[in-house]
Amino acid sequence: NAGVTQTPKFRVLKTGQSMTLLCAQDMNHEYMYWYRQDPGMGLRLIHYSVGEGTTAKGEVPDGYNVSRLKKQNFLLGLESAAPSQTSVYFCASSNLPGANVLTFGAGSRLTVL
Amino acid sequence: QQQVKQSPQSLIVQKGGISIINCAYENTAFDYFPWYQQFPGKGPALLIAIRPDVSEKKEGRFTISFNKSAKQFSLHIMDSQPGDSATYFCAARGLAGNTGKLIFGQGTTLQVKP
Repeated sequence: NAGVTQTPKFRVLKTGQSMTLLCAQDMNHEYMYWYRQDPGMGLRLIHYSVGEGTTAKGEVPDGYNVSRLKKQNFLLGLESAAPSQTSVYFCASSNLPGANVLTFGAGSRLTVL
Repeated sequence: QQQVKQSPQSLIVQKGGISIINCAYENTAFDYFPWYQQFPGKGPALLIAIRPDVSEKKEGRFTISFNKSAKQFSLHIMDSQPGDSATYFCAARGLAGNTGKLIFGQGTTLQVKP
C-alpha cells in the first residue's frame, strides 16, 4: 500500500534553477492537491486538480505550475526558483469531492539558496 | 489573508491531562471542519471532523466542540498520552464550488510529557 508517494524527498536548488516535484498515487483518486507548509503559516494550497487533464489555482499559485496528464500523477514545477519558495511541499489526494478525507504524502523539503 | 486562526501555537501537557486547541473562522460559508494530525517527518492525516449541524463529535479520546454562533471550534484530547505528541491542524472547507479546498489553521505543536 504505497498510497501517495512524493519524489524527491529533499532537494537544494540555487536561485533561478528549475525543478519538478512528482506526486504519484495508487488509489485511483480523482482529486489531487499540492500544499506548502511553512512555520506559523499552516498548510497553504498551491494548485489542485479535480481530474485527469484539469488543474486550478489555489491560495498561493504564483511561481508554480502543475500538470495532471495521467490520473495517478500530479507534477509541481518551479520554473525559476526563489528563496521564498524554500518550504516543505505536500501532495494529497482524495476519492471524494470536497476533500472529505485527504491522504497526504510524506513531503518534499526544498531549499532554495 | 488567514481565514482560520488557530491557538495556541504550542502546548505542553502532562500525561493524563487534557489538551485543548482552539480555532476560529471568519467566513460563514464553511461546511466541514476537519482536524489533521502530523507526526515529525510525516504528512498530515485526518484525525476527526465535524459538520456545522452538530455541536460535538467524539471519537475515543478526541472530541470536537463546535460553536456556530461564535464561529469557533476546538479539539479536546482527553487523557493525553506521549504518543499524542504531534502537530495538529484545524481546517475549514468552503462551500463555493465544492472544489474541496481546505483552509488550514497555523498548526499547534503538542508535547505530552510522561
